Amino acid sequence: EDKVVQSPLSLVVHEGDTVTLNCSYEVTNFRSLLWYKQEKKAPTFLFMLTSSGIEKKSGRLSSILDKKELFSILNITATQTGDSAVYLCAVAGANSKLTFGKGITLSVRP
Amino acid sequence: NAGVTQTPKFQVLKTGQSMTLQCAQDMNHEYMSWYRQDPGMGLRLIHYSVGAGITDQGEVPNGYNVSRSTTEDFPLRLLSAAPSQTSVYFCASSYLSTSGNTIYFGEGSWLTVV
Repeated sequence: EDKVVQSPLSLVVHEGDTVTLNCSYEVTNFRSLLWYKQEKKAPTFLFMLTSSGIEKKSGRLSSILDKKELFSILNITATQTGDSAVYLCAVAGANSKLTFGKGITLSVRP
Repeated sequence: NAGVTQTPKFQVLKTGQSMTLQCAQDMNHEYMSWYRQDPGMGLRLIHYSVGAGITDQGEVPNGYNVSRSTTEDFPLRLLSAAPSQTSVYFCASSYLSTSGNTIYFGEGSWLTVV
């Protein structure tokens, strides 16, 4: 059975801090790893990673995948209160079936 | 430019009642799926489909039925609602690809079973 584990499950930081969110996985026929941000509504897409070692960046957010060690990290630099959300990691396996982790709740204090 | 449309957005059911959550997409996606989201549990896959006429069970299928008679529609049926099915339900769709694809979510359906 496909499995995605995110850590930590929650964290509290202050504005300006840098955070690293972790995602490890076990999946049959890996196709891609995706990161989503969720704020009390449907998840919104952040990144899709398919190749090891290639960093994807969008503003203060970046992510990288290690297919040998089966994990990914999502970095957020210079955090803002608007970054407070649940961050979801998901892995697409056989038949594009998407398995999600439990999510990481990030709270950014002013 | 509708994307993935879910209805209803909110519903209250009595224990034992049945209902159908509707999901439609206009992007010609082969893959469609239903997730439920409960506090601290992330998104758990209920059922999914890789094309019309093809469905399969996910992680938590008990108490739910699906069918895929067309590419566009993927309704989720609750056969006999139970309080444990109180949750937020998301429908999602994507293209099938060997390299993976972004998945698109509906807005969610908040279901309460009393």
